[in-house]
Amino acid sequence: EIVMTQSPATLSVSPGERATLSCRASQSVSSNLAWYQQKPGQAPRLLIYGASTRATGIPARFSGSGSGTEFTLTISSLQSEDFAVYYCQQYNNWPPPTFGGGTKVEIK
Amino acid sequence: EVQLVESGGGLVKPGGSLRLSCAASGFTFSSYSMNWVRQAPGKGLEWVSSISSSSSYIYYADSVKGRFTISRDNAKNSLYLQMNSLRAEDTAVYYCARDIVEPTALFDYWGQGTLVTVSS
Repeated sequence: EIVMTQSPATLSVSPGERATLSCRASQSVSSNLAWYQQKPGQAPRLLIYGASTRATGIPARFSGSGSGTEFTLTISSLQSEDFAVYYCQQYNNWPPPTFGGGTKVEIK
Repeated sequence: EVQLVESGGGLVKPGGSLRLSCAASGFTFSSYSMNWVRQAPGKGLEWVSSISSSSSYIYYADSVKGRFTISRDNAKNSLYLQMNSLRAEDTAVYYCARDIVEPTALFDYWGQGTLVTVSS
């Protein structure tokens, strides 16, 4: 089973600033890496897949990069609606597909 | 509009059983693999099970293998999860989620979830 590790656990950012979230895989997942956003009381929403492709309707301020074992989600200018928990997930080697523990982006 | 609506959650005693349902609409259900993903209170996401469009392949997480059964009825646009021998650690919100394309384990649409609480 591939273990996904996200850092930091919590990121405090001011509105309008850039946020950079990291995700590391215990072995290569190629570019088969997705990012999800989850707000309190809501289901996760797919943001990025293929490490860097935005899902339908996702604003351009969200971008993903990386391949192999190191990945990054960048939110270029945080909006109020972006404060949430973000999860990475690998779908290269499954079952099982595995998720990281999440990064909470909170208002500074 | 794609919609996934889960139902069937509730309070059950350890060792008990529960059957979850997921009603799908807004897309051709029979063309997509479907999944169950759960989230324990205050915790992260855990994949539970996947079923292909024609039910020809089925996978389970080790934590539920032998206790949970996934199934689907394409005529009714519905996904199911039969949960037996429930444990306290099965307490979670259970989401049904659609594969973006079969078979990928990449989830593009999620339901709002149904809460399962296992407690005496």
